Amino acid sequence: AQSVTQLDSHVSVSEGTPVLLRCNYSSSYSPSLFWYVQHPNKGLQLLLKYTSAATLVKGINGFEAEFKKSETSFHLTKPSAHMSDAAEYFCVVTLSGTYKYIFGTGTRLKVLA
Amino acid sequence: GAVVSQHPSWVICKSGTSVKIECRSLDFQATTMFWYRQFPKQSLMLMATSNEGSKATYEQGVEKDKFLINHASLTLSTLTVTSAHPEDSSFYICSALWGQGGETQYFGPGTRLLVL
Repeated sequence: AQSVTQLDSHVSVSEGTPVLLRCNYSSSYSPSLFWYVQHPNKGLQLLLKYTSAATLVKGINGFEAEFKKSETSFHLTKPSAHMSDAAEYFCVVTLSGTYKYIFGTGTRLKVLA
Repeated sequence: GAVVSQHPSWVICKSGTSVKIECRSLDFQATTMFWYRQFPKQSLMLMATSNEGSKATYEQGVEKDKFLINHASLTLSTLTVTSAHPEDSSFYICSALWGQGGETQYFGPGTRLLVL
């Protein structure tokens, strides 16, 4: 069965420092993986997706993620945090044979001035 | 591209009334849409899958007579919360499938429902 684990419920970084949001997945097949961002009282915005092409995926707003099959990880990174990056981030894996999403529990990113 | 809208963004209603929420794909056709519910500081809970021209498929524990879903066209799905009660108060988000492989969901901005 597929599952996704976001290892940190909260992450705090200072503005201008790197961001690392961790995500591990479990899947018996080659999964599609996504990162979404949700600002307060808003819908979800797609940051990036992995669908079995390049393992290093570049997304919007300077974010990128690397698919590591050996570690079953799909961590999200950004070299330099901006105040506007403060939000909730969700790692997502698709349910095998469907287009349904399995969501992680989310990581709240706080950016300190 | 791949913009999804929801209307209304906010709705307050009295207990016992019905509320309809619209989800539209603005610049693409979506044969499949999804409806989610999100409680404060929690992840999204899938309620149902909406397929154009057929009956919606509900997740276990979701009352289909309570949450009526209609997907009458390739750009519009509606969720009607019937006889709403305070416990139905929540943030409802829809999404639509789009993409080269049809595997990516694009989300609407959400609808905040408050039942008094």
